[in-house]
Amino acid sequence: AQTVTQSQPEMSVQEAETVTLSCTYDTSESDYYLFWYKQPPSRQMILVIRQEAYKQQNATENRFSVNFQKAAKSFSLKISDSQLGDAAMYFCAYRSDLTTSGTYKYIFGTGTRLKVLA
Amino acid sequence: GAGVSQSPRYKVAKRGQDVALRCDPISGHVSLFWYQQALGQGPEFLTYFQNEAQLDKSGLPSDRFFAERPEGSVSTLKIQRTQQEDSAVYLCASSSGQGAGQPQHFGDGTRLSIL
Repeated sequence: AQTVTQSQPEMSVQEAETVTLSCTYDTSESDYYLFWYKQPPSRQMILVIRQEAYKQQNATENRFSVNFQKAAKSFSLKISDSQLGDAAMYFCAYRSDLTTSGTYKYIFGTGTRLKVLA
Repeated sequence: GAGVSQSPRYKVAKRGQDVALRCDPISGHVSLFWYQQALGQGPEFLTYFQNEAQLDKSGLPSDRFFAERPEGSVSTLKIQRTQQEDSAVYLCASSSGQGAGQPQHFGDGTRLSIL
């Protein structure tokens, strides 16, 4: 079974600085997707960035980028020029390949709480 | 509406009562997911619908949990004979499909507290 591990329960970053959130996963599949979601205190989860496993190029969305190391099964999120509004829980998520029931499995990590210091 | 809507936002029930949680997905979204999120944890998959068909219910913790989506739009998650361990935030998410890594759009969740 697939697993997703976020080993940093909490991280802090100074405003305007850069921070990296770690995520590792375990799978025997070769085709899958990886996501980072942000969950502010209001609780609505928002997609930050996604990565297709078969693409070697790291995904980038403005100040957010990933370091995807497929062989190492690592998928870290880098936030550049951190802003106060970046403060939230960040969840790493894995989407499996198609299952026998015709669906995909989504597995989330336990999250990293990011604090941004003014 | 513009996003996924869940109601009620908060629900308090006594142990043993039945509860029903509602999810209005984004219009036209085929896929609908329910998750359970315990305090300080990530969401855990409960069940998945493609239109009105419940394709995967492997995450439902017991037969007290039941979900339906009869017309392929609004979905209801029902919990019968609630127990304290059912206390959690229940999240609903929808997506336009499952291909090409379509992202899920989440609602605000329903915080369920069982006394």
